[in-house]
Amino acid sequence: GAVVSQHPSRVICKSGTSVKIECRSLDFQATTMFWYRQFPKQSLMLMATSNEGSKATYEQGVEKDKFLINHASLTLSTLTVTSAHPEDSSFYICSARGLTGASTDTQYFGPGTRLTVL
Amino acid sequence: EDKVVQSPLSLVVHEGDTVTLNCSYEVTNFRSLLWYKQEKKAPTFLFMLTSSGIEKKSGRLSSILDKKELFSILNITATQTGDSAIYLCAGRLGSQGNLIFGKGTKLSVKP
Repeated sequence: GAVVSQHPSRVICKSGTSVKIECRSLDFQATTMFWYRQFPKQSLMLMATSNEGSKATYEQGVEKDKFLINHASLTLSTLTVTSAHPEDSSFYICSARGLTGASTDTQYFGPGTRLTVL
Repeated sequence: EDKVVQSPLSLVVHEGDTVTLNCSYEVTNFRSLLWYKQEKKAPTFLFMLTSSGIEKKSGRLSSILDKKELFSILNITATQTGDSAIYLCAGRLGSQGNLIFGKGTKLSVKP
């Protein structure tokens, strides 16, 4: 149980384009989803927290107009990297926290999306 | 400022050895501590610890939390090459559930 998927797993795009990454909780409803960014040899850095039906809460230093987050349903959140630049190249990981039961305390991670901006 | 500190940052052992990974934390409105294993992709969940002194076990892995000393350890006995990974410790804040991650311990198990 508690499976989270991400799509795509890998994306290469040109500078200036926008990229959308989807995060889905497959077998549970997620009240809260989190988006992380990971640079090589570094720990996970929280970018934003999103609750279904409300605006995302962004961490300090994360541009909300550049990293658009939508949490349209209890099983889907999307991260759109707008006007991507090479410095946005990174590994983006989402996690989901459940609505009920044992899944409420634990964050379950998606497999991540490797973004490369040329 | 909330922080989680892991030690050592890297560790090289041989198969069969036992290792202990350390995690100390200072987290506002601490709720629980979580351990994850990260190989090539995203972290996979290992343990969640909420109460002091209660050891959680899964096979050769075990973990315990000391809320008085703000500390947790992850033990791996009889290590195997498949245990090679980065082990992440994270403190969970309050009701929103944000996680503060440590930098991780990179474990390499040599045959």
